Amino acid sequence: AQSVSQHNHHVILSEAASLELGCNYSYGGTVNLFWYVQYPGQHLQLLLKYFSGDPLVKGIKGFEAEFIKSKFSFNLRKPSVQWSDTAEYFCAVSRRGGYNKLIFGAGTRLAVHP
Amino acid sequence: KAGVTQTPRYLIKTRGQQVTLSCSPISGHRSVSWYQQTPGQGLQFLFEYFSETQRNKGNFPGRFSGRQFSNSRSEMNVSTLELGDSALYLCASSDTSGGDGYTFGSGTRLTVV
Repeated sequence: AQSVSQHNHHVILSEAASLELGCNYSYGGTVNLFWYVQYPGQHLQLLLKYFSGDPLVKGIKGFEAEFIKSKFSFNLRKPSVQWSDTAEYFCAVSRRGGYNKLIFGAGTRLAVHP
Repeated sequence: KAGVTQTPRYLIKTRGQQVTLSCSPISGHRSVSWYQQTPGQGLQFLFEYFSETQRNKGNFPGRFSGRQFSNSRSEMNVSTLELGDSALYLCASSDTSGGDGYTFGSGTRLTVV
């Protein structure tokens, strides 16, 4: 069965610090990978996605993620966080060519202090 | 283009009642999937519909059901509500391959008392 593991449940950073959120997935086939963000009181928004090609993908708001197939990982990074990045971040996976079913990780709550 | 619209935004129901939630996908999107979000279980897949057919179903009891209409709008129904059904129910729409990513609605917050 597919599963997604996010290593950090809570992360606290100061503004301008660098961010890396870990995500590992378990699935034997080919997958599509996603990072979503949920700001307080708002709906899930797509940050970035990886389907194929360059394993380093860039998303909105300065976020990027690197797909490492050998490690089944898709870690999210941002060089310098801002207070407005305070949110919950979800890694998700779906089967390539399969039906539209997303498996989510448990989420990481990020708090950025000014 | 307009986003995914879910109605109502909030619902309070009593144990044993049933509830119907509605989702209107992005225009042109024919796939609609539903998710339950709770603090304890996180985001869990309920089911997905495409062209009025349920293509995939998560591990939820039969009390949870859904359907999709010819205009791609979808409804989900929960019968015999339990306290544990209190959650944020999210709908997502996508094209057939998910190539656009999945666009989520704001959700319906259901509280069962």
